[in-house]
Amino acid sequence: GAGVSQSPRYKVAKRGQDVALRCDPISGHVSLFWYQQALGQGPEFLTYFQNEAQLDKSGLPSDRFFAERPEGSVSTLKIQRTQQEDSAVYLCASSLVEQPQHFGDGTRLSIL
Amino acid sequence: AQKVTQAQTEISVVEKEDVTLDCVYETRDTTYYLFWYKQPPSGELVFLIRRNSFDEQNEISGRYSWNFQKSTSSFNFTITASQVVDSAVYFCAPTNMDSNYQLIWGAGTKLIIKP
Repeated sequence: GAGVSQSPRYKVAKRGQDVALRCDPISGHVSLFWYQQALGQGPEFLTYFQNEAQLDKSGLPSDRFFAERPEGSVSTLKIQRTQQEDSAVYLCASSLVEQPQHFGDGTRLSIL
Repeated sequence: AQKVTQAQTEISVVEKEDVTLDCVYETRDTTYYLFWYKQPPSGELVFLIRRNSFDEQNEISGRYSWNFQKSTSSFNFTITASQVVDSAVYFCAPTNMDSNYQLIWGAGTKLIIKP
């Protein structure tokens, strides 16, 4: 597609459930990023991939968060045993190497 | 460490007015990039501009203009003849040139354009 596509757009889960969020980057974009954005705040960096290699995961808040990009294209962010503080918008961005990031619409995650 | 301050939490103006969004950053890096992104209610962050610290020339793109003052560590954004569609949250974000993916985000400025 023309832009970064994220699914689902909205996700509601009960505390303790596992969730998986998907990101389809712009075709040909080598770099892929995940961010977490709380209400009224700027995005917080979670992790960065270059192709299939996860080069930086320093922003992942706990070992319950896991991201993968096995074929260097689509990426999945998985959150295990969700907690209420995980409620946020999760943004995915992609870019050519060292070029500006282009963002998707995000997935709004609500944990009940 | 880098830090960005957008002191204006929210700005409200009437359509067709000019409006300037302030951005002050702190960095110990000698080389860096500065970005502006727009986030409309739909949620998607839209890239507006990237400037590098070597280039202090001001830039104009249509109704948008940017004033980069390295001496005061500011990178202000002006919208001329604002329109309702300009309503959004605007983020200024510096980053280090070596790890240019690590944008430093503040809380942004919410801009409301009233008809």
